[in-house]
Amino acid sequence: GAGVSQSPSNKVTEKGKDVELRCDPISGHTALYWYRQRLGQGLEFLIYFQGNSAPDKSGLPSDRFSAERTGESVSTLTIQRTQQEDSAVYLCASSFLIADTQYFGPGTRLTVL
Amino acid sequence: GESVGLHLPTLSVQEGDNSIINCAYSNSASDYFIWYKQESGKGPQFIIDIRSNMDKRQGQRVTVLLNKTVKHLSLQIAATQPGDSAVYFCAENRGSNYKLTFGKGTLLTVNP
Repeated sequence: GAGVSQSPSNKVTEKGKDVELRCDPISGHTALYWYRQRLGQGLEFLIYFQGNSAPDKSGLPSDRFSAERTGESVSTLTIQRTQQEDSAVYLCASSFLIADTQYFGPGTRLTVL
Repeated sequence: GESVGLHLPTLSVQEGDNSIINCAYSNSASDYFIWYKQESGKGPQFIIDIRSNMDKRQGQRVTVLLNKTVKHLSLQIAATQPGDSAVYFCAENRGSNYKLTFGKGTLLTVNP
């Protein structure tokens, strides 16, 4: 595709609900990354995929967070039992190979009421 | 600790002036640095990068300078335009490491 796309662009949910965020990387990019950006802050690394494997999950804030990638393409970030502190913009990026330039999607703004 | 930070949180310039955005990093093992531009409501957009074996790299209207002695990185924007108004982040990627470590960003405002 032309760029990284993410859906939904905005998500408002109630505390305790589960949410699923989707990322479609640039076609042919083998690496995919998830970041979280709190209001007025820089980006916080969450997890990355090399192909469909996630070698390092240590950036995930808690066990309520999980992610998967299928077909070396689309990835979903799932947050279970959402809390108000989960409110942030969740950004996805992809790169052709690991350590290549990362290209970002527009993000999903999550608001937990 | 390992961190990438910015000296100035906000910068206001007149249209046509040159802008300089600064960034300090603390990890001397860092060997790759990137500048991203983020406009309101959008994801970060790659501007320019530089590896630690270089001191300077130029792009279209932008120049990145790297001073490894004092662990300092700067982004220079020539003839700043209103469309340059955004938050600018420097990020660090150590070698084959997959993680980008971002600073908090500098808000650049260009006044007409």
